Amino acid sequence: DTEVTQTPKHLVMGMTNKKSLKCEQHMGHRAMYWYKQKAKKPPELMFVYSYEKLSINESVPSRFSPECPNSSLLNLHLHALQPEDSALYLCASSLTGGHYEQYFGPGTRLTVT
Amino acid sequence: RKEVEQDPGPFNVPEGATVAFNCTYSNSASQSFFWYRQDCRKEPKLLMSVYSSGNEDGRFTAQLNRASQYISLLIRDSKLSDSATYLCVAQGGNKLVFGAGTILRVKS
Repeated sequence: DTEVTQTPKHLVMGMTNKKSLKCEQHMGHRAMYWYKQKAKKPPELMFVYSYEKLSINESVPSRFSPECPNSSLLNLHLHALQPEDSALYLCASSLTGGHYEQYFGPGTRLTVT
Repeated sequence: RKEVEQDPGPFNVPEGATVAFNCTYSNSASQSFFWYRQDCRKEPKLLMSVYSSGNEDGRFTAQLNRASQYISLLIRDSKLSDSATYLCVAQGGNKLVFGAGTILRVKS
């Protein structure tokens, strides 16, 4: 089963709030990813975790803080976001990093007010 | 130059038509290539991997030309349900690089 789950599906938060996005996969994949996608644009890579260690940070502002508690879970902690951070946040996983196909979760649609 | 470039689209085709999407990539070291499909306000879903020998899955055929750094996707007998954005993806180092996507609209 190629399933990645994400919660919540929708999130509205103020600029002073702190919230977290959650992602889970049970495919035994050892690489997990966070992407941000704006309307009519392709997904934009934010972070890569490989074997539970952060391997890529695409110069993402510190108001986004990733966490990988174990090989199945990935969190994205949000704090002091800006309205321009409103987007679809996608989690993905792959067998390992690099050249394997990635499987995406349904995403969290985030609105920052 | 973008790392992965696709036909701008949109492609508007009648049901039953054959349509081809093209894509070029700039990183000659890329080893893996994929086509993803994304429906409006949904996540990208893997359509197929692309191999040097070419591969076919039902109505869909993908081709890779490493010499020209070119990838293609052919859809035969288009269905209304094929309407979506098609994303060309190439491996770039330790990550995947997405093209901007091509919109396909199949009309009855």
